[in-house]
Amino acid sequence: DTAVSQTPKYLVTQMGNDKSIKCEQNLGHDTMYWYKQDSKKFLKIMFSYNNKELIINETVPNRFSPKSPDKAHLNLHINSLELGDSAVYFCASSSIGGSSTDTQYFGPGTRLTVL
Amino acid sequence: GENVEQHPSTLSVQEGDSAVIKCTYSDSASNYFPWYKQELGKRPQLIIDIRSNVGEKKDQRIAVTLNKTAKHFSLHITETQPEDSAVYFCAAPGRDGNEKLTFGTGTRLTIIP
Repeated sequence: DTAVSQTPKYLVTQMGNDKSIKCEQNLGHDTMYWYKQDSKKFLKIMFSYNNKELIINETVPNRFSPKSPDKAHLNLHINSLELGDSAVYFCASSSIGGSSTDTQYFGPGTRLTVL
Repeated sequence: GENVEQHPSTLSVQEGDSAVIKCTYSDSASNYFPWYKQELGKRPQLIIDIRSNVGEKKDQRIAVTLNKTAKHFSLHITETQPEDSAVYFCAAPGRDGNEKLTFGTGTRLTIIP
C-alpha cells in the first residue's frame, strides 16, 4: 500500500555503465518528479512530468533520460555513469497537473553509488 | 527563477526548548511555502505549509510564520523532543512558469536529551 515506490533502493555500479531507476505511484496523481540529493543534502529538481508530458527539464546532462509510460510511472535512465552521479535520487508525485502549490509525496529514494 | 536561502545550516537545542529555522525567498509572486522534514535515511515528508493569504499557521508543536513584505518565512518547533532531530527543508515555487519548487539548503536539527 506504499504511495510512491522506487526500485531499486540501492544501486552500485561501475563508471561508464547504463542503469535505470523505476518509480510508481498509486495515489492517482497527475504529476511526477525526479529529484537529486547530493552528499550535502541539497535537493534539486531534475525533471517533472504531467500526465506523461515533460513539463520541467532542468539543466541536466542529456545522459539522463526520463520516461513516463503512463501517469502512474516515471522511470529514469542514466547512460555512461560518472562518479559525480553518485547521489540519492528521489521520485515524487503531486495531485493537480503541474502546480507547484500541491503537496509533493516522495518515494523512499534510490542511493546510487558509482565506482 | 526563485532563490531560497535557509538558515542556520545546523542547529542544536536542548530537549524541551524551542527551535526556529528561517528562510528567505526572492520572487514576490511566490504564494505557497511548505516545510519538509527528512529523518536520517528516509524520504522528505511535508510537515506544514502556509499560503500567502495568512501570516501564521499552527499544528500542535509546529508553526510557520510568513512575512510577505520582507519575503521570509520561519518554522517554529516548541517543546522539542528527540524525534524532532532531522533535516528540515523550506521551499517556494516562484513564478517562472514551469511550476517547480525550489528547496532551501536544509537545516540539520539535533535535539540534545
